[in-house]
Parts: sequence; structure tokens; C-alpha cells
Amino acid sequence: DAKTTQPNSMESNEEEPVHLPCNHSTISGTDYIHWYRQLPSQGPEYVIHGLTSNVNNRMASLAIAEDRKSSTLILHRATLRDAAVYYCILRDWRNDYKLSFGAGTTVTVRA
Amino acid sequence: DTGVSQDPRHKITKRGQNVTFRCDPISEHNRLYWYRQTLGQGPEFLTYFQNEAQLEKSRLLSDRFSAERPKGSFSTLEIQRTEQGDSAMYLCASSLVGRDLAFSSYEQYFGPGTRLTVT
Repeated sequence: DAKTTQPNSMESNEEEPVHLPCNHSTISGTDYIHWYRQLPSQGPEYVIHGLTSNVNNRMASLAIAEDRKSSTLILHRATLRDAAVYYCILRDWRNDYKLSFGAGTTVTVRA
Repeated sequence: DTGVSQDPRHKITKRGQNVTFRCDPISEHNRLYWYRQTLGQGPEFLTYFQNEAQLEKSRLLSDRFSAERPKGSFSTLEIQRTEQGDSAMYLCASSLVGRDLAFSSYEQYFGPGTRLTVT
């Protein structure tokens, strides 16, 4: 499985943006970049995904580097409910059944 | 609530006992997945079903583990002769995948998990 590298933890203040980096230097042409998050005592939930172009949805934005070797998840205005572990995952569309989670980034939001 | 449900939410058992967990996916979803998560780690893929067929099993799924999805709806995961190393959160997820990508969802929807403690 292609590997991703994320910081162990990040802190943010409420109402401020959060930029979560992810390195995936061994990404292949068949890999989509997916982000999931896991709130305390819950199962993971989908946040966003992309292939080459930047993507926006109601939860977040995903900025993908031109060489696709890194990406950044952007939470535009962090709230206390955004405190969670955020996982950056490479998902090969040829074996699209499998999500390979790493340890993720633990995001703490200060009031 | 029409999300993925899992039962029980918590299970404490003694080493050597058998346990069975149930997962009810979102009703129209044809794929169902099982993952295991230990403390401080991300979930690890165990197995998945497309309708009633089990199509892939991870090497993590030892012979003591068996999963079924008999009618392509709910699924069960059984662990025989439990060991302390089996203590973990067992997560179920589902998704809809079709030939027409317009009717497929990219995301997997996860349930709340079953926390297993083996004493």
C-alpha cells in the first residue's frame, strides 16, 4: 500500500483555519487522495477526496500539489466539533474496496 | 436513524470464549467491510463482502475469525477461542458500488464499532 506521512498532532483556535499536511511521495497514477476523520468514540467519517485538482465541499477543501506528492486538508473555520483524528489515505481505484489508515493527525481546537 | 448500526457496542469476554458481532449496513448498500482498530492506531482492513460474496480477506484475519453475510444484508463476525490480543474496536462500514459510477458512492460509511475486551 502506498504510504502517507502526517504530523502526529496539531492545535488550532476556534474560528481559525486549520491546514493539515500530508506527504505521499510514492503516490501512483491510480491513487485517489481521501481524507477521513474520526471523532472521539465514533467510527471514521468521510471528509473529502480528490485526484489532481483542488476540491471543495461543505466540510473542507483539499489542495493537491501539482506533482501530487503532497496535499493539504483545509478546515476553513475550526469549531470545537472539528476536534478529531484526521486520516490521509491513498486509495487505488483498481482495488477500491480497501482503506489503509495510518495513525493520522490528532487535531485539538481551543475555545 | 438510517446509518450503519453495530451490536453489541461493548463486549467483555474471558479468554477462550467465542464471541459474535453483528453489523447492519445502510439498506441499499451492496458492499460491507470489517475493520479492526487498536488503541492509538488507525483502523485496519479485515475483510469485505459484495452482496453475499466475501471477496477479500486480510492476513490479519486468522483461522479463528469468520465473517458471513448470508443474504447480502446484515453481517456477522465471529471470533473463536478469543485471545487477549483480540481486544480492539471492531468497525463495520458499508458503501454502494455499481457499474454506473453515477450511482456509486466514493465513501465508506462507518458504524460506531463494537469494543471487545478479552480478560
